[in-house]
Amino acid sequence: TQLLEQSPQFLSIQEGENLTVYCNSSSVFSSLQWYRQEPGEGPVLLVTVVTGGEVKKLKRLTFQFGDARKDSSLHITAAQPGDTGLYLCAGPDAGGTSYGKLTFGQGTILTVHP
Amino acid sequence: DTAVSQTPKYLVTQMGNDKSIKCEQNLGHDTMYWYKQDSKKFLKIMFSYNNKELIINETVPNRFSPKSPDKAHLNLHINSLELGDSAVYFCASSRIYGYTFGSGTRLTVV
Repeated sequence: TQLLEQSPQFLSIQEGENLTVYCNSSSVFSSLQWYRQEPGEGPVLLVTVVTGGEVKKLKRLTFQFGDARKDSSLHITAAQPGDTGLYLCAGPDAGGTSYGKLTFGQGTILTVHP
Repeated sequence: DTAVSQTPKYLVTQMGNDKSIKCEQNLGHDTMYWYKQDSKKFLKIMFSYNNKELIINETVPNRFSPKSPDKAHLNLHINSLELGDSAVYFCASSRIYGYTFGSGTRLTVV
């Protein structure tokens, strides 16, 4: 079973600060996905990274996929209270595409204070 | 239009009861899933169906029985509920990259 370890588990920062969330594995993933979950709702897909070394930007969010495809990071610039939520990384099991089983990291709970 | 909808949103029931959760998706996806999220927010797959056929059945007690009457619907029936079944259950569907999740069913067994 492939495991994904996220760090930090909790992050509490002030509005305007920058932050980075890490997602690491000892296994190679064909792709990695990042989700954001708000209280009382299901996770919502933010981005999928597919190519080793890939960088994707979504407004103030920057996602990186490691060259060896074993790790990924999410960087938020100038965090806002609206960024508060649970951030999850996930990857498909070995040999599969995203049709199949996703393994999730433990999640990072981000709180941005006004 | 809700893409993946599941009902009910909340379910409070006594130990030993049987309950069902319903899920429907209007995205035209072939694959649907049930995931369980525990109190520490960890998401773990329970079942996966592709075009009405069961393709993943993780080590879930056989008190949990999924049913897919067609590729747009995936229901979850739970027999003889136990305290440890309390969790949030999410239905999801997928095509190529990424899942679309429902908003979850919070099950509390008392």
